[in-house]
Amino acid sequence: GAVVSQHPSRVICKSGTSVKIECRSLDFQATTMFWYRQFPKQSLMLMATSNEGSKATYEQGVEKDKFLINHASLTLSTLTVTSAHPEDSSFYICSARRQLGRTEAFFGQGTRLTVV
Amino acid sequence: GIQVEQSPPDLILQEGANSTLRCNFSDSVNNLQWFHQNPWGQLINLFYIPSGTKQNGRLSATTVATERYSLLYISSSQTTDSGVYFCAVDGYGGSQGNLIFGKGTKLSVKP
Repeated sequence: GAVVSQHPSRVICKSGTSVKIECRSLDFQATTMFWYRQFPKQSLMLMATSNEGSKATYEQGVEKDKFLINHASLTLSTLTVTSAHPEDSSFYICSARRQLGRTEAFFGQGTRLTVV
Repeated sequence: GIQVEQSPPDLILQEGANSTLRCNFSDSVNNLQWFHQNPWGQLINLFYIPSGTKQNGRLSATTVATERYSLLYISSSQTTDSGVYFCAVDGYGGSQGNLIFGKGTKLSVKP
């Protein structure tokens, strides 16, 4: 199957700093990627849709200025958590598909963010 | 939007037992996938199955799209099968292509 690579897998940062998470599709081009957040013992919730060459689409309740998304190329999307606070600590995971519609979605390994 | 319900929420099995996990969804779907989330959080693709039946080793899945449900079968369970199993769908119309996840079934297989 297709491979989606996400880095870093784990990061600890201090309150007030910013953290960048990268999501790459390794063997296909993805015009659209998706960013999810997962709290402990809960399901995955969509945060935003990352669109290559245009602005991301954020789900209701997700702060655009806190979670900056950039989709600079067909194989790379980045999520930057700005001015991180302890409540931003969570598991973040990205997803990509070769094309929308009846195709399989693949997920990165996820990033566990801890803000201290 | 489309609703996805999984049952049971928790399941404890003895090694070697069989199990069936269920996923109900509220509307027609483009895409249905089953995932296993391992202890490190990674989502492992099990099946892409918007309709029909597929088998992969001890696992098999069936989706009856007209009745809006899917089943995941695990036979001869092993301790390594433990983890959370998610069903996720991508609905027709209004969907941006993202998957909507159920709340998962937490499976614990005891030796």
